[in-house]
Amino acid sequence: EAGVAQSPRYKIIEKRQSVAFWCNPISGHATLYWYQQILGQGPKLLIQFQNNGVVDDSQLPKDRFSAERLKGVDSTLKIQPAKLEDSAVYLCASSSRGAGANYNEQFFGPGTRLTVL
Amino acid sequence: GDSVTQMEGPVTLSEEAFLTINCTYTATGYPSLFWYVQYPGEGLQLLLKATKADDKGSNKGFEATYRKETTSFHLEKGSVQVSDSAVYFCALSDPVSGGYNKLIFGAGTRLAVHP
Repeated sequence: EAGVAQSPRYKIIEKRQSVAFWCNPISGHATLYWYQQILGQGPKLLIQFQNNGVVDDSQLPKDRFSAERLKGVDSTLKIQPAKLEDSAVYLCASSSRGAGANYNEQFFGPGTRLTVL
Repeated sequence: GDSVTQMEGPVTLSEEAFLTINCTYTATGYPSLFWYVQYPGEGLQLLLKATKADDKGSNKGFEATYRKETTSFHLEKGSVQVSDSAVYFCALSDPVSGGYNKLIFGAGTRLAVHP
């Protein structure tokens, strides 16, 4: 079974530029997550989709970050304009479902390392 | 809010040494607890989990016991190998305050095992 795919793996941009990351979850997984992992810190959830609807975007900086999952499959995370503090690894994860009292395992992609100069 | 605190690294050990990585948590409800591992150049992988108090999660020789009285979930391994070198993350999922399968991670502990 193919895992979570992400591209690109690395991206270097200058501040105030725009950037987009792509994620393709495991086939059949209804729930998709985007995390930001700053160097030396644990991953922090930015946004969670259930199918193509947003269920949690409380920690997404909405003035510059946006994400979509139009057909309930793959997803794009965009930053516009980028700031120096956005330098981080952006992780995508998916799970077969996301609601309910029992935790459902999340499977992570390899991440995209963003450097903002 | 909910949080996870784990010991700072790096932890440097010789092969076959005993490993302990401490993890404590704060949660509103009754969370599930996890250890994730991140090998160099790879994504996060679930190492083990425990869903209620006194449960012991185990995998690949690693163990952790869910201790509600001390709000801890320490990771242990009796004999580490060079291939265990990685970053280890403690995490929780609290359906009461977090909902929707949300994971909250600690800062991670880097383990380096040398021959």
